[in-house]
Amino acid sequence: KQEVTQIPAALSVPEGENLVLNCSFTDSAIYNLQWFRQDPGKGLTSLLLIQSSQREQTSGRLNASLDKSSGRSTLYIAASQPGDSATYLCAVTPSNAGGTSYGKLTFGQGTILTVHP
Amino acid sequence: DAGITQSPRHKVTETGTPVTLRCHQTENHRYMYWYRQDPGHGLRLIHYSYGVKDTDKGEVSDGYSVSRSKTEDFLLTLESATSSQTSVYFCAIRPEVGGEQFFGPGTRLTVL
Repeated sequence: KQEVTQIPAALSVPEGENLVLNCSFTDSAIYNLQWFRQDPGKGLTSLLLIQSSQREQTSGRLNASLDKSSGRSTLYIAASQPGDSATYLCAVTPSNAGGTSYGKLTFGQGTILTVHP
Repeated sequence: DAGITQSPRHKVTETGTPVTLRCHQTENHRYMYWYRQDPGHGLRLIHYSYGVKDTDKGEVSDGYSVSRSKTEDFLLTLESATSSQTSVYFCAIRPEVGGEQFFGPGTRLTVL
């Protein structure tokens, strides 16, 4: 059974810092990995999707890397801002035997990020 | 934002009553999913659909059933609600190509 772990569980940083959120998974037979952001009481917003054949993806101040063989992904946030405060979730989907996927996401517990002015 | 809505957004019901939650999409995506989110357990997959009338179970499917008679609608039914089904329910959609999932706003269900 796939297990996804996110470290740290919570992180508090001053505005302007660069920070790294970590995600690890136990089964390397993944189809893709997705990072989400969730604000309190809200739904999930997709931040970045990394296919299993890719090593990294970038969107603005966000950069996500994937090392499938070691079962790790990191989300790098540059020049953090108070508006980045949220819960960040990592999720993986398994590959089928034919190399496709039904997209059944397994989530980590999330990292609660607080960026203070 | 992806065109995905959920109804109702909030519901309070009593133990033993049937409840149906609706997910509606305007993107014509093939795949649709129901997840629940609970403190201490995170998000877990209940059921998913890979086409009209094609559905399968997820990790926590006991006590839930689903139906998909049209591409745009995916219904989640609790035949007889229990207090353990108090949760926030999220619907998600995914296109055939690419694999990125998009989530709806959620339904907060309270079973008394």
